[in-house]
Amino acid sequence: DGGITQSPKYLFRKEGQNVTLSCEQNLNHDAMYWYRQDPGQGLRLIYYSQIVNDFQKGDIAEGYSVSREKKESFPLTVTSAQKNPTAFYLCASSIAGRSNYGYTFGSGTRLTVV
Amino acid sequence: AQSVAQPEDQVNVAEGNPLTVKCTYSVSGNPYLFWYVQYPNRGLQFLLKYITGDNLVKGSYGFEAEFNKSQTSFHLKKPSALVSDSALYFCAVPPKNTGFQKLVFGTGTRLLVSP
Repeated sequence: DGGITQSPKYLFRKEGQNVTLSCEQNLNHDAMYWYRQDPGQGLRLIYYSQIVNDFQKGDIAEGYSVSREKKESFPLTVTSAQKNPTAFYLCASSIAGRSNYGYTFGSGTRLTVV
Repeated sequence: AQSVAQPEDQVNVAEGNPLTVKCTYSVSGNPYLFWYVQYPNRGLQFLLKYITGDNLVKGSYGFEAEFNKSQTSFHLKKPSALVSDSALYFCAVPPKNTGFQKLVFGTGTRLLVSP
């Protein structure tokens, strides 16, 4: 079955440590996205990518970095510069240029600072 | 700018009663509108969408939504709520004229269905 896989499901980060969240899709989608969700909050866009080797900052990109070396993969690195990284992180994908299509979401990664 | 608003943080309903989760939009022209559902510790799942045509859209799990252009609303409805419908619901709209689909989400409404 086609879909998006996020791993790990739970991740713990120590102070000052970088961690990388994985997002892989086999839907042949061009566009991929990363969102952050805090308790009781909506979704905030971190980064998005329309095509391989290209990505743009979203609304809250500070303290995060991404890469898009393959169409299937869009990993998110939470750097030590992100002062409050504890949150639920969601990856999504869509067909680029098709605004009537909507998103497919992964099941999320819960990151906790310890 | 295109936007959606969900005026209620939480909706409480008894099992078996009808439910409505509200969404209003601010979009130029004819909008595309989406509803997603999120269960605890899970990603968002697509429920339904309005693209064009019939104003009453039917979706997954018995949900439907009515597009009302005069009231700029796209409320989510279900005739008889189930306890398992308890979740977080988001409406969303893609911005127009960007050449790229980047959904704008509402703040979410938590639905609690009591037994």
